[in-house]
Amino acid sequence: EDKVVQSPLSLVVHEGDTVTLNCSYEVTNFRSLLWYKQEKKAPTFLFMLTSSGIEKKSGRLSSILDKKELSSILNITATQTGDSAIYLCAVEGYSGGGADGLTFGKGTHLIIQP
Amino acid sequence: SAVISQKPSRDICQRGTSLTIQCQVDSQVTMMFWYRQQPGQSLTLIATANQGSEATYESGFVIDKFPISRPNLTFSTLTVSNMSPEDSSIYLCSVYEIFGSGTRLTVV
Repeated sequence: EDKVVQSPLSLVVHEGDTVTLNCSYEVTNFRSLLWYKQEKKAPTFLFMLTSSGIEKKSGRLSSILDKKELSSILNITATQTGDSAIYLCAVEGYSGGGADGLTFGKGTHLIIQP
Repeated sequence: SAVISQKPSRDICQRGTSLTIQCQVDSQVTMMFWYRQQPGQSLTLIATANQGSEATYESGFVIDKFPISRPNLTFSTLTVSNMSPEDSSIYLCSVYEIFGSGTRLTVV
């Protein structure tokens, strides 16, 4: 059974701080690891990582995958109050029938204080 | 990337009734996925919906409770049947890495 563990489960920091969120996984036939930001109902896609050691970057957010360690980190620099959300990590495997659905971690609840 | 329209956005339903959630995609896709997010929990995959074949359900989910239709490559529905308060959740469809806007269901 696929498994995703995120840490910390919650984090409170001040505006301007840099945060690092962690994700470790176990998956049969790894295909990709994805990061999402969830503020209300629907998760908003941030990154998809398939190759180890290649950093993906979007503004103040960046992420990297370590397939040897079966883990990924999501960094947010110069945090703003608008970054307050639940950050979800998910992994995608594949079976003979094609891509499997995503297995999600419990998420990191990030709160940015002014 | 695909754009998904999901409706209804929210509903309050009486126990014992059923609710059908719809997802419309702006492009043809082979696989659509349905997820549930119970209060305070993360997302859990309910089933995979392939056009032209029966949906594949994950452990703990059964077709009688969550029947799924996939009549064409751009549309799918999920029905939550014979609802109880324990079915109160957010239900989400997805294609590739993109999610619909979600349906917040409250069963009273």
